[in-house]
Amino acid sequence: AQSVSQHNHHVILSEAASLELGCNYSYGGTVNLFWYVQYPGQHLQLLLKYFSGDPLVKGIKGFEAEFIKSKFSFNLRKPSVQWSDTAEYFCAVSPFGNEKLTFGTGTRLTIIP
Amino acid sequence: EAGVAQSPRYKIIEKRQSVAFWCNPISGHATLYWYQQILGQGPKLLIQFQNNGVVDDSQLPKDRFSAERLKGVDSTLKIQPAKLEDSAVYLCASSGPGTGSNQPQHFGDGTRLSIL
Repeated sequence: AQSVSQHNHHVILSEAASLELGCNYSYGGTVNLFWYVQYPGQHLQLLLKYFSGDPLVKGIKGFEAEFIKSKFSFNLRKPSVQWSDTAEYFCAVSPFGNEKLTFGTGTRLTIIP
Repeated sequence: EAGVAQSPRYKIIEKRQSVAFWCNPISGHATLYWYQQILGQGPKLLIQFQNNGVVDDSQLPKDRFSAERLKGVDSTLKIQPAKLEDSAVYLCASSGPGTGSNQPQHFGDGTRLSIL
């Protein structure tokens, strides 16, 4: 069975700082990778996804993530964060060809104006 | 497009009582999921339907949890009897119109269940 680790439980940054949230997964085969975001009071939304091809994927609101297969990692990045990025971020993985998502425990991001 | 609808938003019950949650997926979505999200954890899949058939219910505690998706549209999740450890947010998601892992899942707002 697959598993996902998000080592940063709570990250606090000032506006305009750069962001990198870590995500590592454990699975022996090919995977699909996702980042979901949950803004305060809202439902989970897809931020970006990786299925195949270019390991650097771009999502909404200036976010990107890089799949490094050798490190089993899919870290989320943003060069300059905004106060509106305050949210909880979840990394998730599914085996290739399977819709079953396994989520990490999430990282709470707080941006200080 | 209209999103995934869930009700109720909040529910407070005493242990050993029963409770039911309702989900209406995005129109045309074949696949429906129920997740349990305990405070401080990520969502955990309880059951996955494709149309009105169960695809995966390996993590559903079947002695107390049940779910159905009659006619392949709306779904209900029931807990009977509830235990203290069932306190969580119950999320419904749907994907489609096709199937496969390239169909992103769309989530509802969830039902926050508190067991006293």
